[in-house]
Amino acid sequence: DGGITQSPKYLFRKEGQNVTLSCEQNLNHDAMYWYRQDPGQGLRLIYYSQIVNDFQKGDIAEGYSVSREKKESFPLTVTSAQKNPTAFYLCASSPRRADTGELFFGEGSRLTVL
Amino acid sequence: AQSVTQLGSHVSVSEGALVLLRCNYSSSVPPYLFWYVQYPNQGLQLLLKYTTGATLVKGINGFEAEFKKSETSFHLTKPSAHMSDAAEYFCAVRDSSASKIIFGSGTRLSIRP
Repeated sequence: DGGITQSPKYLFRKEGQNVTLSCEQNLNHDAMYWYRQDPGQGLRLIYYSQIVNDFQKGDIAEGYSVSREKKESFPLTVTSAQKNPTAFYLCASSPRRADTGELFFGEGSRLTVL
Repeated sequence: AQSVTQLGSHVSVSEGALVLLRCNYSSSVPPYLFWYVQYPNQGLQLLLKYTTGATLVKGINGFEAEFKKSETSFHLTKPSAHMSDAAEYFCAVRDSSASKIIFGSGTRLSIRP
């Protein structure tokens, strides 16, 4: 079935460690996004990419990095520079500049820093 | 810049009662508006969307929303709540550049038996 796969679903990290969250899609969508979700704050955009080998910072990019080497994949690295990384991370995709602007989401990755 | 404001972080209704979740938007261009639903520990799923045309849009699970330009609102309603409707609901607007979606802070809907 077509969709977006995020892994791992749960992840624990010690302070000072980098961690990479995986996001893979087989929807043939050009655009991919990473959002962070915290209670009471909704979804905040970290990074997005509209085409392979290109990406833009969102509203809260500090302490995060991404790559887009393949159309299907958009991994997010949470670096040790991120001061408060414990959160629920959501990956999404959409057809590039689709008229509808509709996003398709993965099931999320919950990161806990110990 | 585009933005959305959801009034009420938590709404509780009785099973069978009307559901009304409020959303107001700010947009410098004709808006594309969305409602998404999120069940615990899952991603978001599109409920309905407004792009152009008819201002009353119907979505999945019996939900509908009406675009009111004069009130800059896009409230979500359902005539009769079901226990399975308990979830978090997000209103969203497409950025004027059409490159990203901006979400509200969400409203958690609880259903009382």
